[in-house]
Amino acid sequence: LAKTTQPISMDSYEGQEVNITCSHNNIATNDYITWYQQFPSQGPRFIIQGYKTKVTNEVASLFIPADRKSSTLSLPRVSLSDTAVYYCLAYNQGGKLIFGQGTELSVKP
Amino acid sequence: ETGVTQTPRHLVMGMTNKKSLKCEQHLGHNAMYWYKQSAKKPLELMFVYSLEERVENNSVPSRFSPECPNSSHLFLHLHTLQPEDSALYLCASSQGTGDANTEAFFGQGTRLTVV
Repeated sequence: LAKTTQPISMDSYEGQEVNITCSHNNIATNDYITWYQQFPSQGPRFIIQGYKTKVTNEVASLFIPADRKSSTLSLPRVSLSDTAVYYCLAYNQGGKLIFGQGTELSVKP
Repeated sequence: ETGVTQTPRHLVMGMTNKKSLKCEQHLGHNAMYWYKQSAKKPLELMFVYSLEERVENNSVPSRFSPECPNSSHLFLHLHTLQPEDSALYLCASSQGTGDANTEAFFGQGTRLTVV
């Protein structure tokens, strides 16, 4: 199970693009990178997942460089409702969903 | 609505009580999980069930006892808890533990307070 490292907190303003980078230096060949979002007193919610290069969905984009030792979650034009904790996970087949500290994103008006 | 339902949403219990948390999913998933989240801390994986068999038990005290009678239901039986066990208990399910690109669906959690 690859250990992930993220910034503990980030601040942003409404309408800005937010990029959260996650480091996973010991990622294994068959590990996938997955991001979850958690609001206070709620369970985490899946945002996006990728293996390499770029993945985009209606919520976010995920950029993974060729060496896969890091990944960046990009949230376009954030709003106040995007204030949450964002978790980066790297795990493989048979792996268990282990959550790290996460990044607490605060979006201000 | 994630398809994973936890009851009760809130629970206050004394240290000598016995109570149970319930989790139900109708997503057709084969794996279910219990997590504990204390205030301002990351989620701690407690138990994992795959096809109703326990496949993970992360050194959880015996005062927490899981039960998975079928692939749709998961229980966490609680007895003689301590105040430090007060936390948000989250249940999740996924298609299986054997898929690398598995998405987990979480319930809303049970906020447990031990007095």
